[in-house]
Amino acid sequence: DTEVTQTPKHLVMGMTNKKSLKCEQHMGHRAMYWYKQKAKKPPELMFVYSYEKLSINESVPSRFSPECPNSSLLNLHLHALQPEDSALYLCASSQDPGSSEKLFFGSGTQLSVL
Amino acid sequence: AQSVAQPEDQVNVAEGNPLTVKCTYSVSGNPYLFWYVQYPNRGLQFLLKYITGDNLVKGSYGFEAEFNKSQTSFHLKKPSALVSDSALYFCAVRTAYNQGGKLIFGQGTELSVKP
Repeated sequence: DTEVTQTPKHLVMGMTNKKSLKCEQHMGHRAMYWYKQKAKKPPELMFVYSYEKLSINESVPSRFSPECPNSSLLNLHLHALQPEDSALYLCASSQDPGSSEKLFFGSGTQLSVL
Repeated sequence: AQSVAQPEDQVNVAEGNPLTVKCTYSVSGNPYLFWYVQYPNRGLQFLLKYITGDNLVKGSYGFEAEFNKSQTSFHLKKPSALVSDSALYFCAVRTAYNQGGKLIFGQGTELSVKP
């Protein structure tokens, strides 16, 4: 299994809603990432989990809350989002957080905030 | 500061012709260089990487890239383009000295291959 699975594929939410994005991998990878991507732009790193501990938070607003329940799962909890948060949210994983490792990306969750 | 430049927003190629997507980088220390491809409504897929060793790196789907240290470039190439190669291509760099090995992406190049 060489896949990173993200659910849901599409999500529409209001500014007062609470929702969660889920990501799962069964490759035994020990680093997991959340990226935000606007159309035709490069992905922007949000969070990195290394061995289930948050190692990087790229100054992301607190309305985004990551969680890593175990080595295979990564969640992103959303609350009180703004319309400008509408984007493709990508999860990725790598064997370990080392610099030479390639990333495996999921297909993303297309989020629309109304 | 670490950076990656992809000087062309779009590259247009006829099917069967060779293609080149350009990438230059600026880092402190030895770079780890990557190419990723993104098809519409999908995540990024890894194509190839340069870590050390042979400057010519071969990757997925017939793509290759040449690491040129003097020109700080890592151009992506393919001898014969296919219509199915049409996608958004990202060059990326990491170094051992990045904060936690953060991957720095270029702005992306949209490749269009016409029949």
